[in-house]
Amino acid sequence: DIVMTQTPLSSPVTLGQPASISCRSSQSLVHSDRNTYLSWLQVRPGQPPRLLIYKISNRFSGVPDRFSGSGAGTDFTLKISRVEAEDVGIYYCMQSTQFPHTFGQGTKLEIK
Amino acid sequence: QVQLVESGGGVVQPGRSLRLSCAASGFTFSSYGMHWVRQAPGKGLEWVAFISYDGSDKYYADSVKGRFTISRDNSKNTLYLDMNTLRPEDTAVCYCAKSASGGSLGNWGQGTLVTVSS
Repeated sequence: DIVMTQTPLSSPVTLGQPASISCRSSQSLVHSDRNTYLSWLQVRPGQPPRLLIYKISNRFSGVPDRFSGSGAGTDFTLKISRVEAEDVGIYYCMQSTQFPHTFGQGTKLEIK
Repeated sequence: QVQLVESGGGVVQPGRSLRLSCAASGFTFSSYGMHWVRQAPGKGLEWVAFISYDGSDKYYADSVKGRFTISRDNSKNTLYLDMNTLRPEDTAVCYCAKSASGGSLGNWGQGTLVTVSS
C-alpha cells in the first residue's frame, strides 16, 4: 500500500499570513494514464470532509483561490495564501492512483 | 445539488453485523463510482471501499476485506455497506462519497456513527 506522510502535523498560523502543508508518498503517484491522482481535503470541526484540490493543482467547485496545490511524483504541497478564520481544521492529502486509496495522517491548522 | 444521506449506524456488539445505506440525489447515481470512508474517534480519515458505477468492480481496505461488502442498487439510487464480524476498532463515523474529477472524492454525506461495544 502507498503510505502518505504529511508535515507538519500541527501548524499555528497568524490570520492573514500564508500556510503550507507538505505531503510525501512512499512511491510515485503517476498513474499509467500519466495523471497524478493526489487530492487535498479539509475537515472543519463538526463537518464532513470537503474536497479542495484534485489532480495535484485543480481547485474543486466553490473552493476559494487562496488555496493552491503543487508538486509532482512523490512530493506535494498545499498552500493557503492568506489564512482566514474559517480555514481552521484538519487537512488531509489523499492518493487515488492505486487501490487501496490512502490518506495522510492529517495536519491541524490553528490560529495563533 | 448533490445530496448524500447515510443511515443505519448505531450501537452493535462485537461479532455482530450492520448494514449502512447511503441515499443519493441531485445527480445521475448510476454514472458514478462511490466510496465509503470512515473516521474513528480522534483519528484520521480511513478509506474503506469503492464500487464502480455499475457495480462490476469493488475494492476494499485490508482492514475490512472479507468482513465488509460494498454494493449498490442503481434503481433505488442507494449505496450500501454490509459490515460483518464487527470489532471494537470498527467504531467510527462512516461517510459515503461520490467519485469526482481525477479520482477524487468530490461530495460527501454527513456521516453515520457506528459503535461496536459490548
